[in-house]
Amino acid sequence: EAGVTQFPSHSVIEKGQTVTLRCDPISGHDNLYWYRRVMGKEIKFLLHFVKESKQDESGMPNNRFLAERTGGTYSTLKVQPAELEDSGVYFCASSHRTPQGRGNIQYFGAGTRLSVL
Amino acid sequence: AQSVTQPDIHITVSEGASLELRCNYSYGATPYLFWYVQSPGQGLQLLLKYFSGDTLVQGIKGFEAEFKRSQSSFNLRKPSVHWSDAAEYFCAVGAAKAAGNKLTFGGGTRVLVKP
Repeated sequence: EAGVTQFPSHSVIEKGQTVTLRCDPISGHDNLYWYRRVMGKEIKFLLHFVKESKQDESGMPNNRFLAERTGGTYSTLKVQPAELEDSGVYFCASSHRTPQGRGNIQYFGAGTRLSVL
Repeated sequence: AQSVTQPDIHITVSEGASLELRCNYSYGATPYLFWYVQSPGQGLQLLLKYFSGDTLVQGIKGFEAEFKRSQSSFNLRKPSVHWSDAAEYFCAVGAAKAAGNKLTFGGGTRVLVKP
């Protein structure tokens, strides 16, 4: 079974440009999460999809970030325009759907390292 | 709001020696707790988890962790470290009551293994 796949693995762009990150979750996983780790900081939650619906986007830093999950399969995270402080590693994770109040296991991809120059 | 603290940013341990990584959390109810490991060039891999039940949980690669409610801790241990254990380790807590179980991570502990 394929794991969570993210690409590109590394992206270098200039300030003001646009970048789109892609995540392919494990097949059959309704939950899809985006996280980010800025240099020297902890990994932080960005948002959560259940199928194609945004369940929680409380961690999105600002309106330069747009996440989509059309059809409830893969997801994209677009940053437009990119700023220097957007540099970091963007992780995607997926999990099975579980009833509220029940734990689930999130499986992570290898991440996309974004460098904004 | 939930939070996780990993007090040790770096730990150096000799191969064959024991390892303990500390994790303290803050959460208003019974938490879901996780340890993940990230080896160089790899993604986050789940080592073990605690949802309920036995407070001593076993994971992969010979790791174990103990949930201590009174101390709000979930420390990770391994009796004998191998060179391949050199990696960064993350403790995380899941929001049990909220739908979605978004994770809150600690800052990570980087482990260096000396030959």
